[in-house]
Amino acid sequence: GAGVSQSPSNKVTEKGKDVELRCDPISGHTALYWYRQSLGQGLEFLIYFQGNSAPDKSGLPSDRFSAERTGGSVSTLTIQRTQQEDSAVYLCASRRGGTDTQYFGPGTRLTVL
Amino acid sequence: KNEVEQSPQNLTAQEGEFITINCSYSVGISALHWLQQHPGGGIVSLFMLSSGKKKHGRLIATINIQEKHSSLHITASHPRDSAVYICAVRRGTGNQFYFGTGTSLTVIP
Repeated sequence: GAGVSQSPSNKVTEKGKDVELRCDPISGHTALYWYRQSLGQGLEFLIYFQGNSAPDKSGLPSDRFSAERTGGSVSTLTIQRTQQEDSAVYLCASRRGGTDTQYFGPGTRLTVL
Repeated sequence: KNEVEQSPQNLTAQEGEFITINCSYSVGISALHWLQQHPGGGIVSLFMLSSGKKKHGRLIATINIQEKHSSLHITASHPRDSAVYICAVRRGTGNQFYFGTGTSLTVIP
């Protein structure tokens, strides 16, 4: 069966530009997480969606970061006015309601020049 | 100081050895998660624990809530176990996970 997919797999952008990263969770998974992994750093929680509830945005590092989840499925993470410190691998994970296991996507490697 | 500490940072073992990776945390938690990140970057969830012990194949995870400590054991290690093992904790009823920086394991044939 299809796993979590993310696009693009790689994104190179110039400082100051906006970027959109996409996550397609596993069908039927109600929970969706965004994480980021910077070079040499551990994983960092960004945002959590559960069904139709308001998202938990407590991990977003600044107001340049935002995310949406349309129709309880696809999610888009948007970074406005990118900075070099935004360079990282952005990972998405989804989880079926009532279970603990998160299924991770392959990530999007973002490089801000 | 990171709220989640893992040890060792790097570990090299001979095939067949018994391996232990440790995770200590400094906050009250509702659950602890062990993840495996392969050299290509893909992440797989291994265990979610809130108490006691769980076993899956050659992998065993234990947690001691009072001591704020968890261990991941690998029996009869194999080169395909080579990966980074990451510990993550969830505080209270929140959704946010706090991650350790990982233990890089290399199993030599």
